Amino acid sequence: ESELTQSPASLSLAPGERATLSCRASQTAAAFLAWYQQKPGLPPRLLISDTSHRAADIPDRFNGSGSGTDFTLTISGLEPDDSAVYFCQQRINWRDTFGQGTKLEI
Amino acid sequence: QVQLQESGPGLVKPSETLSLTCEVSGGSVSSNNWWSWLRQAPGKGLEWIGEVHGEGSTNYNPSLRSRVTISVDESKNQFSLKVTSMTAADTAIYYCARDLWAGGLDVWGQGSTVTVSS
Repeated sequence: ESELTQSPASLSLAPGERATLSCRASQTAAAFLAWYQQKPGLPPRLLISDTSHRAADIPDRFNGSGSGTDFTLTISGLEPDDSAVYFCQQRINWRDTFGQGTKLEI
Repeated sequence: QVQLQESGPGLVKPSETLSLTCEVSGGSVSSNNWWSWLRQAPGKGLEWIGEVHGEGSTNYNPSLRSRVTISVDESKNQFSLKVTSMTAADTAIYYCARDLWAGGLDVWGQGSTVTVSS
């Protein structure tokens, strides 16, 4: 079973700084890696699909990259509204699995 | 613009069966799409439960497969989730979502809170 491990578990940064969130797959070639943002009381919101494709209406401050087992979500020019939990997700072996999340505080 | 809305009981007794439905608006459930159910226990991460294709094929999380059934109802333009033998560990917010596989889960319902308690 392929698992996703996110790091760090939490992160506190100032407005204007850059956040770098990591997601590592336990098996090679994580397929279709996506990133989500979740704020309290709301469902997750798709940010990035297929490693680096921004979803509709997602600002270009959000960028996804990576390959193989190591993936990164970079958020530049942090704003207070970016405070949330960020999850990575992979589609592999006919199922979806999620990382445990990174809590970002601005 | 596709929108999803979950509905179902907020409270289920231990050992009973949970039944939830997800109404699809702005599109057809029988389209060439996969429709997923996920859940999130209080303060925890996301767990994918399973999915159904608009034509009826299904995939399930192996850890829940023995207790879960997901199906499509074209006449009502909705899909549903049944989970048998509910326990306190199944207490969670249950979400329905459209699963584009390579495109991620791009549309989500608002979530349905389910508590398992006698």
